[in-house]
Amino acid sequence: DTGVSQNPRHKITKRGQNVTFRCDPISEHNRLYWYRQTLGQGPEFLTYFQNEAQLEKSRLLSDRFSAERPKGSFSTLEIQRTEQGDSAMYLCASSQDSNTEAFFGQGTRLTVV
Amino acid sequence: QKEVEQDPGPLSVPEGAIVSLNCTYSNSAFQYFMWYRQYSRKGPELLMYTYSSGNKEDGRFTAQVDKSSKYISLFIRDSQPSDSATYLCAMRVTGGGNKLTFGTGTQLKVEL
Repeated sequence: DTGVSQNPRHKITKRGQNVTFRCDPISEHNRLYWYRQTLGQGPEFLTYFQNEAQLEKSRLLSDRFSAERPKGSFSTLEIQRTEQGDSAMYLCASSQDSNTEAFFGQGTRLTVV
Repeated sequence: QKEVEQDPGPLSVPEGAIVSLNCTYSNSAFQYFMWYRQYSRKGPELLMYTYSSGNKEDGRFTAQVDKSSKYISLFIRDSQPSDSATYLCAMRVTGGGNKLTFGTGTQLKVEL
């Protein structure tokens, strides 16, 4: 197992375009989390899944953002009509359950121009 | 005021020094405390994971939690240039869905 995998690693897009990121968690990890990290800040929680169920969404997750985990394995995060303020590192993490530590992927760095 | 406060640094130390990194927090419900190391343009890597108060040691790293003071620390002994990174503290409540609240991170540089 190579850990949490995120693709793409980098994405440059024009303002107004839609983008989609993928996260493959560690196998058999039931919980999957999305965070956003801007320069000079710590990661901020966006949303998390228990298997395929999305259990919590942060108020940071505007209606332009949608996340799915259709079969309880990989997850996608889509941003519609991107804005320059969406430029950030999007991090995915997974954990075996609610009481074990979370492991992060390498992130997808989004630049909106 | 943020729930978790962390001095952003940068902190510069000579090789071999003992490094002390700290966070304070305001939410007394936090029970799990973590330290992550993050190299530039990489994802956070878990270093230490502790529950409630006390100390935990792993190699050159020691994590301390003082819940009465709402203060956590990470000590790095015999620091190496490869320890140069940003160190993030993170914490969560019990039953909080493992949702982590992070500090801003402290940038550490260990110089030869």
